[in-house]
Amino acid sequence: DQQVKQNSPSLSVQEGRISILNCDYTNSMFDYFLWYKKYPAEGPTFLISISSIKDKNEDGRFTVFLNKSAKHLSLHIVPSQPGDSAVYFCAASPGAQKLVFGQGTRLTINP
Amino acid sequence: SQTIHQWPATLVQPVGSPLSLECTVEGTSNPNLYWYRQAAGRGLQLLFYSVGIGQISSEVPQNLSASRPQDRQFILSSKKLLLSDSGFYLCAWSRAPIAEAFFGQGTRLTVV
Repeated sequence: DQQVKQNSPSLSVQEGRISILNCDYTNSMFDYFLWYKKYPAEGPTFLISISSIKDKNEDGRFTVFLNKSAKHLSLHIVPSQPGDSAVYFCAASPGAQKLVFGQGTRLTINP
Repeated sequence: SQTIHQWPATLVQPVGSPLSLECTVEGTSNPNLYWYRQAAGRGLQLLFYSVGIGQISSEVPQNLSASRPQDRQFILSSKKLLLSDSGFYLCAWSRAPIAEAFFGQGTRLTVV
């Protein structure tokens, strides 16, 4: 039972353009959502988060949008840079007790 | 500042052998602790989490077990490894009510 789903296993974007990564969830008990970035053979690093009481959170080039009615969140990266190439995981938490991750999307930024 | 240590970085073990992976956290007290596994081509699967000493929640039935003998120590074990136990194992910690978790560098386990 995949409670957090990232349906696109990979995404390729031109440098300087916008990258949009999508995530869907099924559990209405999730009240906190996060995005992580992961390089090969390393642990994921926290990127940005959003509480369920908000619909948008922005941090520099990264913006996370939450649509609770659709149970959908997205991460926008603009402008995209070569260093952004990595696997991106979305995660959700019910009451800060645990984190459930999606399958990840491999983002490739082309020069 | 808080740091998380996970070792070893890589491990090759024969089928049927035991396993013990250790994770320790420094610079915080009473953290939530997690073990995740990333199998080849797959996402991060939550295996176990712990909100306190001796309190272990298992997310999926499997060949592994976890223990938390001390506040900042989390151990992942198996009595007999299977080929399907191969993967990248990650330990993480967080401090409730903040959900952000911070990960160790991971252990690449290959069962042969």
